[in-house]
Amino acid sequence: SAVISQKPSRDICQRGTSLTIQCQVDSQVTMMFWYRQQPGQSLTLIATANQGSEATYESGFVIDKFPISRPNLTFSTLTVSNMSPEDSSIYLCSALAANTGELFFGEGSRLTVL
Amino acid sequence: GENVEQHPSTLSVQEGDSAVIKCTYSDSASNYFPWYKQELGKRPQLIIDIRSNVGEKKDQRIAVTLNKTAKHFSLHITETQPEDSAVYFCAASDYPGGYQKVTFGTGTKLQVIP
Repeated sequence: SAVISQKPSRDICQRGTSLTIQCQVDSQVTMMFWYRQQPGQSLTLIATANQGSEATYESGFVIDKFPISRPNLTFSTLTVSNMSPEDSSIYLCSALAANTGELFFGEGSRLTVL
Repeated sequence: GENVEQHPSTLSVQEGDSAVIKCTYSDSASNYFPWYKQELGKRPQLIIDIRSNVGEKKDQRIAVTLNKTAKHFSLHITETQPEDSAVYFCAASDYPGGYQKVTFGTGTKLQVIP
């Protein structure tokens, strides 16, 4: 199994600012993903974090708004840029266990934008 | 891309009764179908999964069935207990091939009434 540490766990942000969320996995994994979960809703995939190259974004998500880095196999960051109240959500880092396909999640980062 | 539909959105059962949650998927390339349980304020956690070469899998009180021809899969919980109360998400993935992205259903909020 993989243990994923994610920070910050929560933050209150002002409109127009940016916030970077960090994700650290305790073991080597192949795939890392970032999801968004709005209150009471399902998990929506934002992007696949690719090691050493640009992330692969899902429809409706763009690099300028959600820049992602993955400098090595076990670390990734997601930045939420130029935030608006609509960005208030929980952002979840996840990593895929290569041998089983199980997706492990960080504890999530709850962002509130005022 | 993959689209996963899940029903019902809410489900209330008496303790000891069974609960059934049903999902359909759209992409015939999907091979792996995990189920996640998310307790309030917690991260999603895998409870059971099934692969496309298997029609049914059971783990104690939990069982999953898969009909790949019809693109249907279901979660069955028997002898429900209050601690089963949570939100359950079905998901589909093309793991181990393809992009290995995991697409989630809309979720079912299960309430087990003591």
